Amino acid sequence: DAGVIQSPRHEVTEMGQEVTLRCKPISGHDYLFWYRQTMMRGLELLIYFNNNVPIDDSGMPEDRFSAKMPNASFSTLKIQPSEPRDSAVYFCASSPGPQQGGTGELFFGEGSRLTVL
Amino acid sequence: AQSVSQHNHHVILSEAASLELGCNYSYGGTVNLFWYVQYPGQHLQLLLKYFSGDPLVKGIKGFEAEFIKSKFSFNLRKPSVQWSDTAEYFCAVNAGGGATNKLIFGTGTLLAVQP
Repeated sequence: DAGVIQSPRHEVTEMGQEVTLRCKPISGHDYLFWYRQTMMRGLELLIYFNNNVPIDDSGMPEDRFSAKMPNASFSTLKIQPSEPRDSAVYFCASSPGPQQGGTGELFFGEGSRLTVL
Repeated sequence: AQSVSQHNHHVILSEAASLELGCNYSYGGTVNLFWYVQYPGQHLQLLLKYFSGDPLVKGIKGFEAEFIKSKFSFNLRKPSVQWSDTAEYFCAVNAGGGATNKLIFGTGTLLAVQP
């Protein structure tokens, strides 16, 4: 089975540019999560979706960040405009819901390493 | 708010030494608990999980963890570490026993095993 697929794996951009990160969750998983990992702050939950609906976006740093999930097999995390402090590894994860027998285990993608110059 | 504390930020061991990494969480209700491992340059992978039953759970690669409800702890152990165990280890809690699937992670413990 294919795991969670993220793209791009690496992105280098200049401050002020728009960045779009993409994620394809595991087929059949009800939940999708976006995490950000930095040395200083560790793993931070940015936002998560259930059945394509955003449930909790309290971790989104500011209005420059937005996330969408137009269908069950695709999500995007957009940063506009990007700043150097946004440099981090962004992980997408998915999981089956309780009705599917899920126990909260997350399945992570390989991550997108973003560098904003 | 729920939180997870990992008190050891950086641990250095020699091969064959025993390992114990501490994890404490703050939530009074039902929890599911996890340990994830992140090898250098890779994504997070599940080591083991607890959601009910025997509080001593065994995971992959010889790791185990013990859930002690009275201490709000879920410490990770391995009797004899190997160089290949060098990685970052994250404890995580799902408050509500899996009802929401939202995982809160600790800040991680970086383990370096010297050959």
